[in-house]
Parts: sequence; structure tokens; C-alpha cells
Amino acid sequence: GQSLEQPSEVTAVEGAIVQINCTYQTSGFYGLSWYQQHDGGAPTFLSYNALDGLEETGRFSSFLSRSDSYGYLLLQELQMKDSASYFCAVPNNAGNMLTFGGGTRLMVKP
Amino acid sequence: GEEVAQTPKHLVRGEGQKAKLYCAPIKGHSYVFWYQQVLKNEFKFLISFQNENVFDETGMPKERFSAKCLPNSPCSLEIQATKLEDSAVYFCASSPDRTGNTIYFGEGSWLTVV
Repeated sequence: GQSLEQPSEVTAVEGAIVQINCTYQTSGFYGLSWYQQHDGGAPTFLSYNALDGLEETGRFSSFLSRSDSYGYLLLQELQMKDSASYFCAVPNNAGNMLTFGGGTRLMVKP
Repeated sequence: GEEVAQTPKHLVRGEGQKAKLYCAPIKGHSYVFWYQQVLKNEFKFLISFQNENVFDETGMPKERFSAKCLPNSPCSLEIQATKLEDSAVYFCASSPDRTGNTIYFGEGSWLTVV
């Protein structure tokens, strides 16, 4: 089986940097993905890490450490529109489903 | 199309009634996934398809839930005899490959069972 753990809620102020952590337990590892979901909206893909290290995409970066079964999403220069839920996810070994973490609700305050 | 299209956006059913949801995947995507999300919480995997073939159905409550992806038709998810606990947003997603690392979600169908 697979399971992922994330903090349920994080609060930060505009312009700040926030890190959302994700630890996972999987029977095999095929990459860690991050999705963003605004209230009432569809989840949208943010990033994917298959190898250790940091992947940067604009204000968002994602980090993976396979030896620690751990990753994080880093959001810089926070904006109000970043207020959303963020989910980490891993595929199973057959590639026929993604298992999601419980989601981290990020609230950005002025 | 260029996006996953789900209909209806909202559906209200009385307990015991049937509910049927539809999903048109992105053109060219061979893999379709259905997820249930209750109260903005985590996504519960229901079923996946590779073209019209069931790929994984380990998440489906088979006694009341069924799904199909037939050629030249939208995929469908049907719930017979709905229960209050079926109230959720049902998301369909599609992917061009089986790795599953990047899947594209529709806007969801909000089912309310009263």
C-alpha cells in the first residue's frame, strides 16, 4: 500500500516563503507530484520529481529526497492567489492510479 | 478537446435514486481516472481505464458503483441507489501515458444526496 502525510494547514503572509512537507510510504517509488486546488476548482499539476534534488519552476520549487522518503513544495514571494490546497501524490507501480496525500490548506494573509 | 469535460456540474438526488456522471477526456489521452473528494479532503481513487478497458478498479464500491468508457462516447460513472455518504465531488482525470505522474483533471461533478 501507499500513504502520504502532509500538514493539514499552513498560514503565511504575502511576500513570504513557505514550505509544505510531504512524507510517503510506498512499495515502490516512481516519482512525487504536487497539485494545487483552489476552492471549488479542479486540481492542477504543479511539479514532479523523480530524482533527488530541487526542481524550480518560477516562484514554485519542489524538492525530493528518496533516501528519506520525503519531499517538499516551496512557494516564494507568496501572493494572495496562492491561497489554496496543495496535494502531494505518488503513482503505484502499475502506473494505473495516483495516491494523494490529505492536502495542505495554505492561507496567505496580507 | 483540450480539457477534460465533465457533466453535469451539479446534481441533486434523493436517497435511493440513481446518479450518472459523464466525462470526456482530453483528445488523444488513453487513460481515464475517477476520484471522489468528500468535503475538500483527500482524493479517493475509484477506477481507471486504458481506453475502454478497466485498468484498476480496486477503489470501486462495486455493489452500487459502475463505470464505463466506450469507444466514441463519453466515459460514465453510475451510482445506483445513492446514499447520503455518496455526497461528494467526483473528479475525472485523463493522462496520455500510464506513468500517472501527471494527470489532467476536469472541473468535477458535485453530487448532493438528500
